[in-house]
Amino acid sequence: KNEVEQSPQNLTAQEGEFITINCSYSVGISALHWLQQHPGGGIVSLFMLSSGKKKHGRLIATINIQEKHSSLHITASHPRDSAVYICAVADSNYQLIWGAGTKLIIKP
Amino acid sequence: EAGVTQFPSHSVIEKGQTVTLRCDPISGHDNLYWYRRVMGKEIKFLLHFVKESKQDESGMPNNRFLAERTGGTYSTLKVQPAELEDSGVYFCASSQRQGIGELFFGEGSRLTVL
Repeated sequence: KNEVEQSPQNLTAQEGEFITINCSYSVGISALHWLQQHPGGGIVSLFMLSSGKKKHGRLIATINIQEKHSSLHITASHPRDSAVYICAVADSNYQLIWGAGTKLIIKP
Repeated sequence: EAGVTQFPSHSVIEKGQTVTLRCDPISGHDNLYWYRRVMGKEIKFLLHFVKESKQDESGMPNNRFLAERTGGTYSTLKVQPAELEDSGVYFCASSQRQGIGELFFGEGSRLTVL
């Protein structure tokens, strides 16, 4: 069992739908990162969380430290949001432990 | 301001050859990290530099991999001799602060070993 589990692995939705991607982890963390990777592209950091909630445009990230769970939400999804979304947690040694990623496809 | 840059973007070599990947972090970022994704698996940590010193190299798979960061600026990751299982994408990231510092990633260097 991976220390960082993401769900779903794949998600296809229609433009405009509200998207939720979940991340559960089993280790103690100092921070949690949500990252985005476009096909053939590099990795972009979306959020870094250690508690609570952050919002950037149509993206919202929440974390519940007690439940060891985080969610990434996309409101009013658009085809350009299609990408792989990765959850990664920084452990006590500040190493990143990566989830497998969620492949999101938004259809017009 | 330039972001994290990696070179080459793609390298194709034969088994047994040597390849050197380079990462230029954002200027002023003391922390530099190397990660890799192989065979469609999760991205894994390789090592962490603070300036020119190796803070943590516990993720380096074996002694065929050598990372350096002379002068605390750019870093190189050399694979010698390369094996088939080394094929994958090697990512570099930098941050100003360790720990809860925000990470900035390069585009990655894709390595194909034939």
